[in-house]
This record gives sequence, C-alpha cells and structure tokens, in this order.
Amino acid sequence: AQSVTQPDIHITVSEGASLELRCNYSYGATPYLFWYVQSPGQGLQLLLKYFSGDTLVQGIKGFEAEFKRSQSSFNLRKPSVHWSDAAEYFCAVGARGNEKLTFGTGTRLTIIP
Amino acid sequence: DSGVTQTPKHLITATGQRVTLRCSPRSGDLSVYWYQQSLDQGLQFLIQYYNGEERAKGNILERFSAQQFPDLHSELNLSSLELGDSALYFCASSVGDTVNTEAFFGQGTRLTVV
Repeated sequence: AQSVTQPDIHITVSEGASLELRCNYSYGATPYLFWYVQSPGQGLQLLLKYFSGDTLVQGIKGFEAEFKRSQSSFNLRKPSVHWSDAAEYFCAVGARGNEKLTFGTGTRLTIIP
Repeated sequence: DSGVTQTPKHLITATGQRVTLRCSPRSGDLSVYWYQQSLDQGLQFLIQYYNGEERAKGNILERFSAQQFPDLHSELNLSSLELGDSALYFCASSVGDTVNTEAFFGQGTRLTVV
C-alpha cells in the first residue's frame, strides 16, 4: 500500500526566509507525486506534480520540488517566503492503475514578520 | 475559484440522520472524486466516478454512497450519521480518469453531527 509521511506538523519561518517542507513516500512502483496547498476555508490547490523526467519540478507561486528516488523523498522548497504563503501543505502520492491519491497529514506553515 | 461547486458549504445535523452533499464539477470534467478530511484521519479518498460509472473506491463506509448523474454532477449520501462523521468533505474533478490528470478541488462541505 502506498503511504506518505510529512514529518513536520508545524513550521514557522520568517518572511523572506527560505523554506523546505519534507515529504517521504512509500510505494513499490514509480509514483506520481504531488504537492497541494490549502488556505484557510479553501479547497486544495495543486502547486506542482512529478510523473517522470527531470527530478526538479517547478510549480506555481515560486515553489519547486525535487524527487529523490534513493531517499523516497519529494521535498518542497521556496527560496523566499511571503506572508501569503501561510497555509497547510499536503504531499500526495498516486500511481497509474491506482487512481486514488494518498495524502500525507499535512504541514502547517506560519510566517512571521 | 477552481470551478468546482459544492453545496451546501455548512451542514449541521443530528446523529442518525441522513444528508446529501452535492458537487458540480468543472465544465468538461468527467471524473469526480470525493474525499473526507477529519482531524484524526486526515485526508482520505472515498470514491471516484468517471462519466457516470464508479471507477475507484477507497475508505468509504457502507453507510455512505455516491452517484454521478448524466449531467455529471455528483452526490454523496451519508446515512445513519455518527458523531465521528463530522468532517470536511471535498469534491474534486478532472478531465480524465487517471491520477495524472490534474484534479481541481471544491471548497468543501463542512458537516457537523451533533
């Protein structure tokens, strides 16, 4: 069974600082990996996805993520966070032939001035 | 705005009751997914429909059922409600039926069972 671990429940960073949110997955085949963001009272919005090819993927809002097969990781990064980035971030895994997405428990990001 | 519409936004009901949550997918999307988000279980996939047919099933209780209608809107029916069913229920839609087609999420229906 596929699973996703987001080890950090809550992260606080200063505005303008860099950010890295961790995600580890478990899946036997080649996974499809996703990062979603959920702002308060909103649904989930797709930030970026990885299916194959270049292991460094660019997303919206200045986010990027790197797929590292050897570490079973797909960490999300942003070089300089903005106050509007405060939200909950979810990593998810899926695969062809197993069309449901399995989500991690989420990481809540707080931005301090 | 994702283009996915869920109604109602909030629902408060008593234990033992039955409710129906409605989802209108984005124009042109054939797949509808239902997810449950609760504090203890996180985001859990419930069920997927594609062009009116059930395509995938997740951790959906027998008390819950769903369907997708010819106009592609979907309804999630929850019956014999228990306190533990209180959660945020999301609908998502996508063009295709595979996980590599981007899914767009609605804002959710917050269900409170008292």
